[in-house]
Amino acid sequence: GAVVSQHPSWVICKSGTSVKIECRSLDFQATTMFWYRQFPKQSLMLMATSNEGSKATYEQGVEKDKFLINHASLTLSTLTVTSAHPEDSSFYICSARGETPYYEQYFGPGTRLTVT
Amino acid sequence: GENVEQHPSTLSVQEGDSAVIKCTYSDSASNYFPWYKQELGKRPQLIIDIRSNVGEKKDQRIAVTLNKTAKHFSLHITETQPEDSAVYFCAASRDNYGQNFVFGPGTRLSVLP
Repeated sequence: GAVVSQHPSWVICKSGTSVKIECRSLDFQATTMFWYRQFPKQSLMLMATSNEGSKATYEQGVEKDKFLINHASLTLSTLTVTSAHPEDSSFYICSARGETPYYEQYFGPGTRLTVT
Repeated sequence: GENVEQHPSTLSVQEGDSAVIKCTYSDSASNYFPWYKQELGKRPQLIIDIRSNVGEKKDQRIAVTLNKTAKHFSLHITETQPEDSAVYFCAASRDNYGQNFVFGPGTRLSVLP
């Protein structure tokens, strides 16, 4: 149980285009989803937290107009990188947490974005 | 906000030896402390966690200790094996609904055969 998927697993796009990444909880309802960014050999940096049906809460320094997050249902959250630039190239990982008495976050497999 | 530090950044041990990774946190309200293992190019996987009402927790070769007064917690791996080689992240979080994890910078563990 507690499986989180991400799609696509990798994507290459040209500078200036937008890219959408999907995060799905496959066997549980995720009331809260988190989006992280991870640069090579670095830690996971939280970008934003989204609760189903609410606006996402962005961490300081993360541009909400550039990284659009939509948590439209209890099993799906999307991250759209708008007008992507090479510096946006990174590994993006989502995680999901359901309504349990525990606090574990279940991570997706990640999406490697390369902007050329 | 919460700040989590982790040491060492890299650690090499001989197979069969023990490995210890230490983390400190700044927010005294944090009361959930998970440890994640991440292999290259893969997702982080929870390996053990501890809550603030417990001082120590063990699961086979892995144990975690927590000192709330000093605000530090440690991961202990005994009888290390090559497959333990990975990056390990600690994290700290409040237990209120919607509170976020703050991850440490990670420790790259190499178990030498």
